[in-house]
Amino acid sequence: QVQLVESGGGLVKPGGSLRLSCAASGFTVSDYYMSWIRQAPGKGLEWVSYISDGGTTIYYADSVRGRFTISRDSARNSLYLQMNSLRAEDTAVYYCAKLSGFLIDYWGQGMLVTVSS
Amino acid sequence: QSALTQPASVSGSPGQSITISCTGTISDVGSYNLVSWYQQHPGKAPKVIIYEVSKRPSGFSNRFSGSKSGNTASLTISGLQAEDEADYYCCSYAGGSSPWVFGGGTKLTVL
Repeated sequence: QVQLVESGGGLVKPGGSLRLSCAASGFTVSDYYMSWIRQAPGKGLEWVSYISDGGTTIYYADSVRGRFTISRDSARNSLYLQMNSLRAEDTAVYYCAKLSGFLIDYWGQGMLVTVSS
Repeated sequence: QSALTQPASVSGSPGQSITISCTGTISDVGSYNLVSWYQQHPGKAPKVIIYEVSKRPSGFSNRFSGSKSGNTASLTISGLQAEDEADYYCCSYAGGSSPWVFGGGTKLTVL
C-alpha cells in the first residue's frame, strides 16, 4: 500500500536551513506529480511546491520562491524539500503529498518545522 | 492567487444535514470541474472525501456529496455523525503558474 514518511523537521534559527525528506513506498515517485503542502499552527493549508512526473515542471509558491528547492531521488524513491533562509512565518507542519491527476490522493503524516531564535 | 472563501465554522445536530460553501472566481472554481474536498481531524493529515466536484473515493461514505454552481462549490454532509466533526478544506485547480488554491477551511461542530 502507498505510504509517505517525512523526516528532517525540527527547530531552526531564523536564516537557517533545513532539508525535509519524504520516503515513498507502494508506488514510484517519478511516475507521479509530487508536492509539499504546509499548515501553519491553527491555520489552513498552503501549497508550497510541486514537481511533475517528468521532473520538467516545478512550481513554488511566491512565499518560498528563491529560498526553497524541491527535488527527488529515483534510486531512493524519495522526495525532498531544501529550505534556506528560513523565516518565522515558515513555521508549519509540512506534508509530503502524492497527486493522481488533479487530486491529492495520499498525504504523509506531516513534519513540524519551527523557526525561532 | 487568493484563497477560496469558506465559512469559518458550521454546526449541526446528529442526523441533520449541513452544507459548506467554497467560493472562488472565474479563474479557478468557475473554469474547472476540478474541485476537491479534504477532511482533517485534529493532529491528523487531511484525506480526500470528494474530487472532481462530486466524485467520492472508492468505499467512502455516500453521506458526503459535492456540487458546483458558477464560481461556488459546495459540500453537503447528510445524517451528521459525531465522527464528522473535523475541519474541511476545499481546493480548486486554477491553472497557470499557481495551479492549485485551497480554501481557508471550515470547522464543523456536531452539537
